[in-house]
Amino acid sequence: DAKTTQPPSMDCAEGRAANLPCNHSTISGNEYVYWYRQIHSQGPQYIIHGLKNNETNEMASLIITEDRKSSTLILPHATLRDTAVYYCIRYNQGGKLIFGQGTELSVKP
Amino acid sequence: EAGVAQSPRYKIIEKRQSVAFWCNPISGHATLYWYQQILGQGPKLLIQFQNNGVVDDSQLPKDRFSAERLKGVDSTLKIQPAKLEDSAVYLCASSLEGAADTQYFGPGTRLTVL
Repeated sequence: DAKTTQPPSMDCAEGRAANLPCNHSTISGNEYVYWYRQIHSQGPQYIIHGLKNNETNEMASLIITEDRKSSTLILPHATLRDTAVYYCIRYNQGGKLIFGQGTELSVKP
Repeated sequence: EAGVAQSPRYKIIEKRQSVAFWCNPISGHATLYWYQQILGQGPKLLIQFQNNGVVDDSQLPKDRFSAERLKGVDSTLKIQPAKLEDSAVYLCASSLEGAADTQYFGPGTRLTVL
């Protein structure tokens, strides 16, 4: 049981921001929110993770609501190479990564 | 830095045959994972090694699947005998120390069982 809810698919125009939502309303205090993505025919790739505060790195930004029940992954300027399945995962560090179905993001020219 | 290497990339076998997959993790990574990814689903953890010891194999179908990590480096996952439902991509991942560290995935081996 992945225990996160994501829309099955989303479209985004190239150059625009892609905002991928994730619901994790039953997340516990010691669980992080991790995001991975999987480009077709490749293994999953780590993007970013956070606990309470918003996080940013060279790939994306992660916005976590104050109650931690949901989060949004933001790709600020999506390119065609960002077309992939994006997985939002609740992760108790020391436990297992449990992947759900993810969101299939299609970036269109 | 070289990534996680896996071979072969593709394998086609008939049911009841045996098959083995090989994984070479990132140099220095103590923890190694094998995942199974059925088409249309997210990866599912089969087994986790810390150095050459098994940490978690609760999801490994032990009647037909086996895995080893000799000398705490390379690992082999074997299926014997294969069933049709074993058709999937088998992914290997590694992390520096334990499960708290970022996992880096290899490209996977796509297995088709006919």
